[in-house]
Amino acid sequence: DTEVTQTPKHLVMGMTNKKSLKCEQHMGHRAMYWYKQKAKKPPELMFVYSYEKLSINESVPSRFSPECPNSSLLNLHLHALQPEDSALYLCASSQGQTQYFGPGTRLTVL
Amino acid sequence: QQPVQSPQAVILREGEDAVINCSSSKALYSVHWYRQKHGEAPIFLMILLKGGEQKGHDKISASFNEKKQQSSLYLTASQLSYSGTYFCGTERGGNTGFQKLVFGTGTRLLVSP
Repeated sequence: DTEVTQTPKHLVMGMTNKKSLKCEQHMGHRAMYWYKQKAKKPPELMFVYSYEKLSINESVPSRFSPECPNSSLLNLHLHALQPEDSALYLCASSQGQTQYFGPGTRLTVL
Repeated sequence: QQPVQSPQAVILREGEDAVINCSSSKALYSVHWYRQKHGEAPIFLMILLKGGEQKGHDKISASFNEKKQQSSLYLTASQLSYSGTYFCGTERGGNTGFQKLVFGTGTRLLVSP
């Protein structure tokens, strides 16, 4: 099973809202990733967790707050987002050389 | 800096061949190729490690020229299912337990009947 699941599939939020994105994998992978993808652009790395510790933060604004409660779960907490943060947010996991992506959460900030 | 892919877009008839190139301005440890259909997750195709190897998977193969910092993806006898956007993901370091991928600009491929 090479499945990474993400919820919700779609999310619409106002600039004052607080929401969370959830990512889950049961492949025993010890590295998990958040990417942001704008329309017709490549995915851009935001965060990497390795063995449940934050290993990379690509200078992401503090209104995005990642959390890795355990080796299977990855959350992305959202607060006071801007309209330009509207995008597809992809989660991925890896063990070894290959990253497996989830289907993404399409986020719209009004 | 983001790797540059060429061409930006290509239209094929079913059964035709295509080559997609990925060029980096920096030395690379590995190149990962993905295909993404509209509204879906990127799907892993293959990885090439430095050493100039070539790999193949069914009618899709790839090469990696470490000295030129380039990789090419070869699609032969294209099928309708090959349609999508192809991204190369490049990695400069290795052996850290995770991959810090920088994705290329993307190539949109459309295969028509």
